[in-house]
Amino acid sequence: NAGVTQTPKFQVLKTGQSMTLQCAQDMNHEYMSWYRQDPGMGLRLIHYSVGAGITDQGEVPNGYNVSRSTTEDFPLRLLSAAPSQTSVYFCASSYGGSTRNTEAFFGQGTRLTVV
Amino acid sequence: QQQVKQSPQSLIVQKGGISIINCAYENTAFDYFPWYQQFPGKGPALLIAIRPDVSEKKEGRFTISFNKSAKQFSLHIMDSQPGDSATYFCAANGGSQGNLIFGKGTKLSVKP
Repeated sequence: NAGVTQTPKFQVLKTGQSMTLQCAQDMNHEYMSWYRQDPGMGLRLIHYSVGAGITDQGEVPNGYNVSRSTTEDFPLRLLSAAPSQTSVYFCASSYGGSTRNTEAFFGQGTRLTVV
Repeated sequence: QQQVKQSPQSLIVQKGGISIINCAYENTAFDYFPWYQQFPGKGPALLIAIRPDVSEKKEGRFTISFNKSAKQFSLHIMDSQPGDSATYFCAANGGSQGNLIFGKGTKLSVKP
């Protein structure tokens, strides 16, 4: 049982480059989300999805795009990377249509550095 | 706008001592309050959670105390061990979207 799998684990990008952070879960969870973690800032919600074909913005969505074509996958795209996007990114999933009253399962994270 | 305020930012406790981390929230629509534990290089993992219809929940050495009128809740770790050294996040969710909102985290170090 893999849970939530994120790839890559580490990435260095140059300013202006684009990339996609991959997230996959094998628990048939409807709800998936992306957070970024910065020192002293906690975890901030970027985008979330309550099911295939449905996505919405979180607290800090600027500079990021998402799509949800399947229940299992929820990729996060950076269209034009900026140094301010240097962070650790976590994908999470939970049973049902939200994290309300249910456990959120997190991936191991992707450490992204933009130079 | 931070809706969940967590303190302290860091905490050093001797082995066998009690660790206490506090959180306060603003939105009365929140109805689920979990605590997550994160070890270096790992993702957060659920430690314990409480709903506002109870004032305390205990699981082993970990206890959540909840004060609905004050809009505050806290995590108590009894008999703290070096293996408890980690970053702890309080969180809250509720409302129509049900997204988790996290505090800024507390880095706990338990000295042997």
